[in-house]
Amino acid sequence: GENVEQHPSTLSVQEGDSAVIKCTYSDSASNYFPWYKQELGKGPQLIIDIRSNVGEKKDQRIAVTLNKTAKHFSLHITETQPEDSAVYFCAVQEWDSWGKLQFGAGTQVVVTP
Amino acid sequence: GAGVSQSPSNKVTEKGKDVELRCDPISGHTALYWYRQSLGQGLEFLIYFQGNSAPDKSGLPSDRFSAERTGGSVSTLTIQRTQQEDSAVYLCASSARTSGRGEQYFGPGTRLTVT
Repeated sequence: GENVEQHPSTLSVQEGDSAVIKCTYSDSASNYFPWYKQELGKGPQLIIDIRSNVGEKKDQRIAVTLNKTAKHFSLHITETQPEDSAVYFCAVQEWDSWGKLQFGAGTQVVVTP
Repeated sequence: GAGVSQSPSNKVTEKGKDVELRCDPISGHTALYWYRQSLGQGLEFLIYFQGNSAPDKSGLPSDRFSAERTGGSVSTLTIQRTQQEDSAVYLCASSARTSGRGEQYFGPGTRLTVT
């Protein structure tokens, strides 16, 4: 089955700086890669996603890049703000799994003013 | 519009008791998923429902766990003879895509504590 590794496990950044989180996966047939933000006591919130036929996608201050050859994808947050502090999870959807997501272990992001 | 809702938000139960957790998906979403999140961990897939197809139960950790989905909407996850290792947050998600592949939207979860 799919194996997803996420790094780093914790990330501390100064407000205004950029944050980058990277995930690698093992199954070359995987074709959908979402990112979720989870605030304390809440369910994960989908913030951006990318499909295998696209190399990069941006939405305001967040962007995701995908390298299918190397089997890794990354979340980029620019101009970080204190409200970006949360746990971020990457996920991978296997082509033949009828939609279940395999999640990374998460990255705790702390943005300090 | 209304998102995925789950109830109860918190449940404390004694070891050996049975519990039922409820999920109301987003209206019109045909795919429904259950995941489990243990303290400080990522999410672990449990079970998936898509329309009238047989559910994918491949993630259920033991036969004490079961789930049903009535009328293609509300789902109930049942844990029989609860054990302390069942303590976790149980998350439900739904998806509009008929293939089940694509965007999944999560509810707030039910925090289960087994004492």
